[in-house]
Amino acid sequence: QVKLQESGPGLVRPSETLSLTCTVSGASVSSANYYWSWVRQPPGKRLEWIAYIYFNGSTNYNPSLRSRVTTSVDMSKNQFSLKVSSVTAADTAVYYCARERGYWSALGMTTWFDPWGQGTTVTVSS
Amino acid sequence: DIQMTQSPSSMSASVGDRVTITCRASRGIGDWLAWYQQKPGKAPKLLIYSTSNLESGVPSRFSGSGSGTHFTLTISSLQPEDFTTYFCQQGYSFPRTFGGGTKVEIK
Repeated sequence: QVKLQESGPGLVRPSETLSLTCTVSGASVSSANYYWSWVRQPPGKRLEWIAYIYFNGSTNYNPSLRSRVTTSVDMSKNQFSLKVSSVTAADTAVYYCARERGYWSALGMTTWFDPWGQGTTVTVSS
Repeated sequence: DIQMTQSPSSMSASVGDRVTITCRASRGIGDWLAWYQQKPGKAPKLLIYSTSNLESGVPSRFSGSGSGTHFTLTISSLQPEDFTTYFCQQGYSFPRTFGGGTKVEIK
């Protein structure tokens, strides 16, 4: 059974960097079959995809966050991580990590998220 | 970005009812749509991918249909454990985007 678990500080000061780690069990982040993603949900708002990282280090970021977001993978620990710099109150959210899987076709690549971590609440406040 | 609009945002129903939730995309996404269920404080759970493919282990009372810009999730006979929130996600282009969610409540 594949499980993902987020970890990191629950409180971050404005202008600082938010750092989260996702620990994967039951699957390998070095697999070429999946992407490893971050999704967040601010209070009262819809889910927002943040980024994914592939086993070879290639990444894809949401343009709305690209200038402030970095994701990385640590194969030795079977983990992947997220950093969001210069945070503001707008970055307060439940942050989820998820495995992104799908397939390629002539039209491109489609993916969906399964499974997800339980989520971790991050509050940006002084 | 592709905007995903779900309707209704909430609904009341009874055990045994047939329920349909709609998701509309701001432009065509083929059949590249997924549906999730989320219970309070829990991780979202994949129900359906590529419009109509039931994820392993998901009860057959859940089904999906549609293409292009209009999609539906149907629960053929609501069970007590189905009263929760559902949302859609387009897998056609980046950034991936989600619907605003539909909360199914007990009537």
